[in-house]
Amino acid sequence: NAGVTQTPKFRVLKTGQSMTLLCAQDMNHEYMYWYRQDPGMGLRLIHYSVGEGTTAKGEVPDGYNVSRLKKQNFLLGLESAAPSQTSVYFCASSYPIGGQPQHFGDGTRLSIL
Amino acid sequence: GENVEQHPSTLSVQEGDSAVIKCTYSDSASNYFPWYKQELGKRPQLIIDIRSNVGEKKDQRIAVTLNKTAKHFSLHITETQPEDSAVYFCAATTNTGNQFYFGTGTSLTVIP
Repeated sequence: NAGVTQTPKFRVLKTGQSMTLLCAQDMNHEYMYWYRQDPGMGLRLIHYSVGEGTTAKGEVPDGYNVSRLKKQNFLLGLESAAPSQTSVYFCASSYPIGGQPQHFGDGTRLSIL
Repeated sequence: GENVEQHPSTLSVQEGDSAVIKCTYSDSASNYFPWYKQELGKRPQLIIDIRSNVGEKKDQRIAVTLNKTAKHFSLHITETQPEDSAVYFCAATTNTGNQFYFGTGTSLTVIP
């Protein structure tokens, strides 16, 4: 039981490049989330999904897109990377909220030059 | 929407002393409050949680208290050890909500 797996773990991009971060969970969770974590700012929600085929915007969605084609996978895309998107990205999943905790992946450290 | 405030942002204690981290929330409908510990370079991990029908919950050296009337909840760590050094996050959510609302974190340092 791997829990929540994020790939890649590290990536360096040049400004303007695109990439996709993959999150996979094997706990049959309905809900999945993408956060970014910057120093001193805690966890900020980018996008989330409450089920296969559904997505919604969080607190800081600009510059990112997501897709949830399969229940176990949640993809985060950067179409044209900017230095302001340099951050650590965490994926999380949970059962439908109602007193159920989130389970986090190990994070992806992304640097945009 | 919900607003969760967390204090202090940094906390240093001597090994063996107690540490207390406090969070307040704004939405009276919030009824589930988890606490996460994040060691340097690692993922946030759930250490304890509390639901609104409970006032206090303990797990060995860790306890959480909830005051629904005042809309605040606190994490208490007793007999602190160097391995307790980490960033701690509180969060709040509702039964029907889709999101967790996180505090900005407390960096705890336990001095040997």
